[in-house]
Amino acid sequence: SQTIHQWPATLVQPVGSPLSLECTVEGTSNPNLYWYRQAAGRGLQLLFYSVGIGQISSEVPQNLSASRPQDRQFILSSKKLLLSDSGFYLCAWGTGGPNYGYTFGSGTRLTVV
Amino acid sequence: GIQVEQSPPDLILQEGANSTLRCNFSDSVNNLQWFHQNPWGQLINLFYIPSGTKQNGRLSATTVATERYSLLYISSSQTTDSGVYFCAAASNYGQNFVFGPGTRLSVLP
Repeated sequence: SQTIHQWPATLVQPVGSPLSLECTVEGTSNPNLYWYRQAAGRGLQLLFYSVGIGQISSEVPQNLSASRPQDRQFILSSKKLLLSDSGFYLCAWGTGGPNYGYTFGSGTRLTVV
Repeated sequence: GIQVEQSPPDLILQEGANSTLRCNFSDSVNNLQWFHQNPWGQLINLFYIPSGTKQNGRLSATTVATERYSLLYISSSQTTDSGVYFCAAASNYGQNFVFGPGTRLSVLP
Protein backbone atom coordinates (compact mmCIF):
# COMPACT_ATOMS: atom_id res chain seq x y z
CA SER A 1 0.00 0.00 0.00
CA GLN A 2 1.03 3.58 -0.53
CA THR A 3 2.29 5.71 2.32
CA ILE A 4 3.46 9.29 2.54
CA HIS A 5 6.00 10.51 5.06
CA GLN A 6 6.62 14.09 6.03
CA TRP A 7 9.12 15.50 8.50
CA PRO A 8 9.79 17.13 10.83
CA ALA A 9 6.42 17.32 12.59
CA THR A 10 7.20 20.65 14.24
CA LEU A 11 9.88 23.24 13.65
CA VAL A 12 10.77 26.56 15.25
CA GLN A 13 13.16 28.65 13.20
CA PRO A 14 14.49 32.21 13.57
CA VAL A 15 13.80 34.82 10.95
CA GLY A 16 16.45 34.74 8.23
CA SER A 17 17.36 31.09 8.72
CA PRO A 18 17.09 28.50 5.93
CA LEU A 19 14.35 25.88 5.68
CA SER A 20 14.17 22.36 4.30
CA LEU A 21 11.06 20.21 4.62
CA GLU A 22 11.03 16.74 3.12
CA CYS A 23 8.25 14.55 1.84
CA THR A 24 8.59 11.02 0.51
CA VAL A 25 6.06 8.59 -0.91
CA GLU A 26 6.30 4.82 -0.85
CA GLY A 27 4.45 2.15 -2.75
CA THR A 28 3.83 4.02 -5.98
CA SER A 29 5.80 5.39 -8.90
CA ASN A 30 5.63 8.67 -10.78
CA PRO A 31 3.16 10.29 -8.39
CA ASN A 32 1.99 13.87 -8.67
CA LEU A 33 3.31 15.66 -5.59
CA TYR A 34 1.98 18.80 -3.91
CA TRP A 35 2.96 21.27 -1.19
CA TYR A 36 0.15 23.13 0.58
CA ARG A 37 0.27 25.71 3.33
CA GLN A 38 -2.43 26.38 5.88
CA ALA A 39 -2.28 29.56 7.95
CA ALA A 40 -3.88 29.41 11.40
CA GLY A 41 -7.64 28.98 11.11
CA ARG A 42 -7.55 29.27 7.34
CA GLY A 43 -7.98 27.09 4.28
CA LEU A 44 -5.36 25.32 2.23
CA GLN A 45 -3.23 27.19 -0.27
CA LEU A 46 -1.42 25.28 -3.01
CA LEU A 47 2.23 26.34 -3.14
CA PHE A 48 3.89 23.95 -5.59
CA TYR A 49 3.14 20.83 -7.54
CA SER A 50 5.23 18.41 -9.53
CA VAL A 51 4.28 15.85 -12.16
CA GLY A 52 7.79 14.40 -12.49
CA ILE A 53 11.45 14.58 -11.49
CA GLY A 54 12.76 18.11 -11.87
CA GLN A 55 9.34 19.44 -12.92
CA ILE A 56 8.06 22.09 -10.51
CA SER A 57 5.11 24.43 -10.96
CA SER A 58 4.63 27.33 -8.62
CA GLU A 59 1.15 28.57 -7.82
CA VAL A 60 2.03 31.51 -5.63
CA PRO A 61 5.20 33.63 -5.95
CA GLN A 62 6.84 33.89 -2.55
CA ASN A 63 9.86 33.26 -0.43
CA LEU A 64 9.80 29.50 -0.94
CA SER A 65 11.03 27.05 -3.53
CA ALA A 66 10.50 23.36 -4.20
CA SER A 67 12.56 20.61 -5.73
CA ARG A 68 11.99 17.01 -6.77
CA PRO A 69 15.38 15.31 -6.92
CA GLN A 70 13.92 11.79 -7.01
CA ASP A 71 10.67 10.30 -8.24
CA ARG A 72 9.13 9.97 -4.79
CA GLN A 73 10.84 12.84 -2.97
CA PHE A 74 9.59 16.40 -2.75
CA ILE A 75 11.44 19.11 -0.85
CA LEU A 76 10.26 22.55 0.22
CA SER A 77 13.01 25.09 0.88
CA SER A 78 13.71 28.66 1.76
CA LYS A 79 17.02 30.52 1.89
CA LYS A 80 15.80 33.07 4.43
CA LEU A 81 12.61 32.61 6.39
CA LEU A 82 10.17 35.44 7.05
CA LEU A 83 7.70 35.72 9.91
CA SER A 84 4.93 35.34 7.35
CA ASP A 85 6.23 31.88 6.43
CA SER A 86 4.82 30.49 9.67
CA GLY A 87 2.06 27.96 9.14
CA PHE A 88 1.15 24.34 8.71
CA TYR A 89 2.77 22.75 5.66
CA LEU A 90 1.21 19.70 4.11
CA CYS A 91 2.55 17.43 1.42
CA ALA A 92 0.18 15.37 -0.71
CA TRP A 93 0.38 12.88 -3.53
CA GLY A 94 -2.00 11.80 -6.26
CA THR A 95 -1.84 9.56 -9.29
CA GLY A 96 -3.07 12.21 -11.67
CA GLY A 97 -5.00 9.53 -13.52
CA PRO A 98 -8.71 8.80 -13.67
CA ASN A 99 -10.54 8.29 -10.42
CA TYR A 100 -7.69 9.85 -8.51
CA GLY A 101 -7.70 11.73 -5.27
CA TYR A 102 -5.16 13.23 -2.93
CA THR A 103 -3.58 11.62 0.10
CA PHE A 104 -1.91 13.94 2.60
CA GLY A 105 1.06 13.56 4.88
CA SER A 106 0.81 14.40 8.56
CA GLY A 107 2.11 17.95 8.12
CA THR A 108 4.86 20.16 9.53
CA ARG A 109 3.96 22.98 11.87
CA LEU A 110 6.49 25.77 11.25
CA THR A 111 6.85 28.73 13.58
CA VAL A 112 9.20 31.49 12.54
CA VAL A 113 10.34 33.61 15.49
CA GLY B 1 -10.39 28.73 -12.37
CA ILE B 2 -12.97 26.78 -10.46
CA GLN B 3 -14.37 28.31 -7.27
CA VAL B 4 -15.40 26.14 -4.32
CA GLU B 5 -17.72 27.32 -1.58
CA GLN B 6 -18.78 25.52 1.59
CA SER B 7 -21.59 26.06 4.02
CA PRO B 8 -22.11 26.54 6.84
CA PRO B 9 -18.74 27.96 7.92
CA ASP B 10 -19.33 26.80 11.49
CA LEU B 11 -21.62 24.20 12.99
CA ILE B 12 -22.18 23.22 16.61
CA LEU B 13 -24.06 20.02 17.41
CA GLN B 14 -24.99 17.97 20.38
CA GLU B 15 -23.70 14.41 20.33
CA GLY B 16 -26.14 12.16 18.52
CA ALA B 17 -27.47 14.83 16.15
CA ASN B 18 -27.36 14.61 12.37
CA SER B 19 -25.89 17.23 10.05
CA THR B 20 -25.50 18.11 6.39
CA LEU B 21 -22.52 19.98 4.99
CA ARG B 22 -22.71 21.51 1.54
CA CYS B 23 -20.11 22.17 -1.13
CA ASN B 24 -20.88 24.26 -4.22
CA PHE B 25 -18.54 24.54 -7.17
CA SER B 26 -18.56 26.96 -10.05
CA ASP B 27 -17.70 24.67 -12.93
CA SER B 28 -18.13 21.09 -14.07
CA VAL B 29 -15.89 18.77 -12.09
CA ASN B 30 -14.21 15.52 -12.92
CA ASN B 31 -12.99 14.95 -9.41
CA LEU B 32 -14.26 15.81 -5.94
CA GLN B 33 -13.07 14.80 -2.50
CA TRP B 34 -14.20 15.33 1.08
CA PHE B 35 -11.60 15.53 3.85
CA HIS B 36 -11.74 15.72 7.62
CA GLN B 37 -8.99 17.65 9.37
CA ASN B 38 -8.71 16.44 12.94
CA PRO B 39 -7.58 18.64 15.86
CA TRP B 40 -3.96 17.56 15.25
CA GLY B 41 -4.08 18.87 11.68
CA GLN B 42 -4.12 15.54 9.90
CA LEU B 43 -6.20 15.57 6.71
CA ILE B 44 -8.11 12.33 6.34
CA ASN B 45 -9.73 11.24 3.10
CA LEU B 46 -13.43 10.65 3.60
CA PHE B 47 -14.77 10.21 0.11
CA TYR B 48 -13.66 10.45 -3.46
CA ILE B 49 -16.99 11.23 -5.11
CA PRO B 50 -17.12 13.04 -8.47
CA SER B 51 -20.73 11.86 -8.86
CA GLY B 52 -23.31 9.66 -7.21
CA THR B 53 -23.65 8.55 -3.61
CA LYS B 54 -21.31 6.71 -1.27
CA GLN B 55 -21.64 5.62 2.31
CA ASN B 56 -19.08 4.70 4.93
CA GLY B 57 -20.56 3.92 8.32
CA ARG B 58 -22.24 7.02 9.77
CA LEU B 59 -20.98 9.18 6.92
CA SER B 60 -22.35 9.42 3.43
CA ALA B 61 -21.84 11.79 0.53
CA THR B 62 -23.75 12.71 -2.59
CA THR B 63 -22.51 14.70 -5.55
CA VAL B 64 -24.90 16.07 -8.16
CA ALA B 65 -22.42 17.10 -10.79
CA THR B 66 -25.04 18.55 -13.16
CA GLU B 67 -26.18 20.95 -10.43
CA ARG B 68 -22.66 21.61 -9.19
CA TYR B 69 -22.93 20.64 -5.55
CA SER B 70 -21.96 17.92 -3.13
CA LEU B 71 -23.36 17.08 0.29
CA LEU B 72 -21.73 15.33 3.22
CA TYR B 73 -24.08 13.74 5.74
CA ILE B 74 -23.02 12.91 9.26
CA SER B 75 -25.48 10.86 11.28
CA SER B 76 -25.48 10.21 15.02
CA SER B 77 -22.53 12.58 15.45
CA GLN B 78 -19.82 11.83 17.97
CA THR B 79 -17.31 14.13 19.66
CA THR B 80 -14.59 12.56 17.53
CA ASP B 81 -16.32 13.98 14.45
CA SER B 82 -15.20 17.46 15.52
CA GLY B 83 -12.77 19.25 13.27
CA VAL B 84 -12.82 20.98 9.90
CA TYR B 85 -14.38 19.39 6.85
CA PHE B 86 -12.97 20.38 3.48
CA CYS B 87 -14.37 19.84 0.04
CA ALA B 88 -11.90 19.88 -2.87
CA ALA B 89 -12.78 19.87 -6.57
CA ALA B 90 -10.83 19.57 -9.80
CA SER B 91 -12.46 20.89 -12.95
CA ASN B 92 -10.55 18.92 -15.56
CA TYR B 93 -8.86 15.56 -15.82
CA GLY B 94 -5.40 15.83 -14.34
CA GLN B 95 -5.89 19.33 -13.00
CA ASN B 96 -5.16 20.25 -9.41
CA PHE B 97 -7.79 20.20 -6.71
CA VAL B 98 -9.10 23.52 -5.41
CA PHE B 99 -10.12 23.50 -1.76
CA GLY B 100 -13.12 25.20 -0.23
CA PRO B 101 -12.74 27.26 2.95
CA GLY B 102 -14.01 24.42 5.14
CA THR B 103 -16.80 23.87 7.66
CA ARG B 104 -15.71 23.82 11.30
CA LEU B 105 -17.79 21.26 13.19
CA SER B 106 -17.93 21.09 16.97
CA VAL B 107 -19.78 18.16 18.53
CA LEU B 108 -20.54 18.71 22.19
CA PRO B 109 -20.92 15.82 24.66
